[in-house]
This record gives sequence, C-alpha cells and structure tokens, in this order.
Amino acid sequence: GAGVSQSPSNKVTEKGKDVELRCDPISGHTALYWYRQSLGQGLEFLIYFQGNSAPDKSGLPSDRFSAERTGGSVSTLTIQRTQQEDSAVYLCASSLAGGRDTQYFGPGTRLTVL
Amino acid sequence: RKEVEQDPGPFNVPEGATVAFNCTYSNSASQSFFWYRQDCRKEPKLLMSVYSSGNEDGRFTAQLNRASQYISLLIRDSKLSDSATYLCVVNPSTGRRALTFGSGTRLQVQP
Repeated sequence: GAGVSQSPSNKVTEKGKDVELRCDPISGHTALYWYRQSLGQGLEFLIYFQGNSAPDKSGLPSDRFSAERTGGSVSTLTIQRTQQEDSAVYLCASSLAGGRDTQYFGPGTRLTVL
Repeated sequence: RKEVEQDPGPFNVPEGATVAFNCTYSNSASQSFFWYRQDCRKEPKLLMSVYSSGNEDGRFTAQLNRASQYISLLIRDSKLSDSATYLCVVNPSTGRRALTFGSGTRLQVQP
C-alpha cells in the first residue's frame, strides 16, 4: 500500500516568507508526527497528533511554527517569517496508534531559506 | 546532557567484520527502545525494536542494559549494503509520545 507522502520534496524560499509543508499519512494511522533534521544532526521532534486529542506541541521551536491536522488525516506544517536557521529536512511520520507502534517516515521536504 | 547520546563515528570496517554500536539514554523511566537505519538523504526506517531480554534478527543483535541505561547494536558479517547511519531511538515516556532520536552513528563498510 501507499506509504507516507510529503510535498513539496524541495522548497527554496526567501527569508521572511511563509511556507506550508504537507504530509499525507498512511491510511488508517491515527498518530502523526513532525520532525526536522538539520545537516548532520539527529531528528528533532516538533509536534505530535493522536486521533482527536489535543496535539503535543512541546517541540515547536518558536511561535512562527504551527501545524494542523484536518479530518484526522492530512497535516500541514506552517512556518511563518522563515529564517535561515529554519533550513532543514522536515520529516513526517505516522503510526497506527502511537506509543510503541512503528513509525513510518515520509521522504521529507528539504527546506532552504536564502 | 542529551537525552540520547551516540558516538557519531564514522566506523570504517571491512566486509565481513563484526561491529558494535552503543547508545546511552538519560531518562531512566524510558520504556521503549529501537534502532532505526537512515541511508544518505533518505528517511529513517525501523531496523529493529530492542527488548529487555535482547533480540536477534539475522546478523543483527540488539541488547538493552537498563541498569546502565545503554542500548547496543551488533552487526555480524558486515555487508557493503549495511553502510548507513544507525539511529538509537528511545520512547521517553514522559507524557509526550513521540520518540527521541540520537544523532546517529555512521557506518561505512569497505570492500
């Protein structure tokens, strides 16, 4: 079946612009995660959605970052007034029900802020 | 101190060698442990879960030492295709249910 998909695969933007990154999780997966990975670094947790519960936003680095998950499926990560330090690969993952369940990652969106 | 720490490597080993990676974690209440593999410019993929009793999957063996708070991964008979970055991953069980990833250990298997 289809895996996690993300779009766009690459995004180049100018400092100060807003960007939207999209994630389509695996159908039927109730848990969805956003991470980012800077060059040569590990994954940094950003936000976690589980079913209809309030999202865990504890990893968002600033109020310029926000995310939504509409209808329990597709999620959009929005970065407002982008800064050069926002440049990274943004990875989305989904799992069946969270917890110990295996997380399946999308291919990521490579964001470059000039 | 980082929640999950790994030696970044790189570990350069010849084909057929046995190589081991360790990883330490800071939260003693952590419940779940995993090794993920990440190829260059690709997304991470689950390699194996780590169980308290230790577990093996083919050439790969994972061990957990709760007393010392470390996890290990042993790869026997290394193949060229094992070249990748290996991420140690912990579920911190502090209410947030996302995983905490180490920065990874890079393995390069040479012919």
